[in-house]
Amino acid sequence: EVQLVESGGGLVQPGGSLRLSCAASGFPFSSYTMNWVRQAPGKGLEWISYISTSSSTMYYADSVKGRFTISRDNAMNSLYLQMNSLRAEDTAVYYCARGVRSLGYGFDNWGQGTLLTVSS
Amino acid sequence: EIVLTQSPGTLSLSPGERATLSCRASQSVSSNYLAWYQQKPGQAPRLLIYGASSRATGIPDRFSGSGSGTDFTLTISRLEPEDFAVYYCQQYGGSPLYTFGQGTNLEIK
Repeated sequence: EVQLVESGGGLVQPGGSLRLSCAASGFPFSSYTMNWVRQAPGKGLEWISYISTSSSTMYYADSVKGRFTISRDNAMNSLYLQMNSLRAEDTAVYYCARGVRSLGYGFDNWGQGTLLTVSS
Repeated sequence: EIVLTQSPGTLSLSPGERATLSCRASQSVSSNYLAWYQQKPGQAPRLLIYGASSRATGIPDRFSGSGSGTDFTLTISRLEPEDFAVYYCQQYGGSPLYTFGQGTNLEIK
């Protein structure tokens, strides 16, 4: 069974940093592109970052570019999101999601999400 | 930047009725890379449709997708109680790499 489990969320002050993790199991992690998607309270979905299978290519939404860094460790079956210079508007549930080439790069599996709250 | 605009924002229907949800793109989107998701409160989204018209694994055949270019549609032929949720369309491959629509809230009338 495919499982994605996020961790690392919490309460952070504006300007602070945090690293989110996503532990993957039940599939060959190194064969899939991975993404982070967030959802602010009561709002819609916002894609924020993509990483290729070998970490050779990363993409970011403009809203996080220069502040967030996506990475992965294929040996550890883990995905990460390093978040710096956090702002109140970064408050959201953060999901990791698997992109599948055969499904038009749609996200067929998602974690349960981890909540980040940025507040003083 | 590709912007996806979903309409209506809220759709009020009764079980057994047909639901038609629209997703319009600001620029042409490859049909291969247009997906639809369902999200219920407190849950992660679930992939329903990929490639504009292909159902994901385990998705009932009352869900169908269609469209091309800039206009895409998700149709639910006969609403079941469990279908009331928020629906999002998504594109891949443009700028930014992925974009979601703002969502359509399908609520019970």
